[in-house]
Amino acid sequence: AQSVTQPDIHITVSEGASLELRCNYSYGATPYLFWYVQSPGQGLQLLLKYFSGDTLVQGIKGFEAEFKRSQSSFNLRKPSVHWSDAAEYFCAVGALGNFNKFYFGSGTKLNVKP
Amino acid sequence: NAGVTQTPKFQVLKTGQSMTLQCAQDMNHEYMSWYRQDPGMGLRLIHYSVGAGITDQGEVPNGYNVSRSTTEDFPLRLLSAAPSQTSVYFCASSFRDSGGYTFGSGTRLTVV
Repeated sequence: AQSVTQPDIHITVSEGASLELRCNYSYGATPYLFWYVQSPGQGLQLLLKYFSGDTLVQGIKGFEAEFKRSQSSFNLRKPSVHWSDAAEYFCAVGALGNFNKFYFGSGTKLNVKP
Repeated sequence: NAGVTQTPKFQVLKTGQSMTLQCAQDMNHEYMSWYRQDPGMGLRLIHYSVGAGITDQGEVPNGYNVSRSTTEDFPLRLLSAAPSQTSVYFCASSFRDSGGYTFGSGTRLTVV
């Protein structure tokens, strides 16, 4: 069965500290992986995506993610968090030719302490 | 360039009422989808469309209908609202092979 697990419901980090949000997936086909960010009251915005090639992908707002096939993981990282990064983050998985059917994780809410 | 436009932003319905959530995109995207977002459950796919005239069910289709007569529009109809349909609804669109959705800003629906 297809699924995405984000083990951390809430994370709090201090401004300037590094960040890692975890994502594990279960998917029958070759996975295409995504991270989205949702600010309060807003829709979701695409941060980055992985299709193939280099397993470390760069996204917007200074985020990066690393695909590890052996661990079925696609963790999101940022070296230095800014207060404006406080939001909810969603990991999603889809497949080529099947992008209309994504599976989303339940989200990780990030709080940033001043 | 408006992107994905959803209307209304907020709606309160009584149990048993019907209504249509509107979604329009101006990016000529082939794919359009409706998701509902509930606390702690992420986003769940209701219905999707791969092009005008073609729709299919997602993970949680019961109680909802869709149609896609044009590339731009993908309305979601609630046939007989139930309190379990209280949720935030998102419409999203993408090109066929891009894999990156553009989301609307959502409709917050409350059924009392």
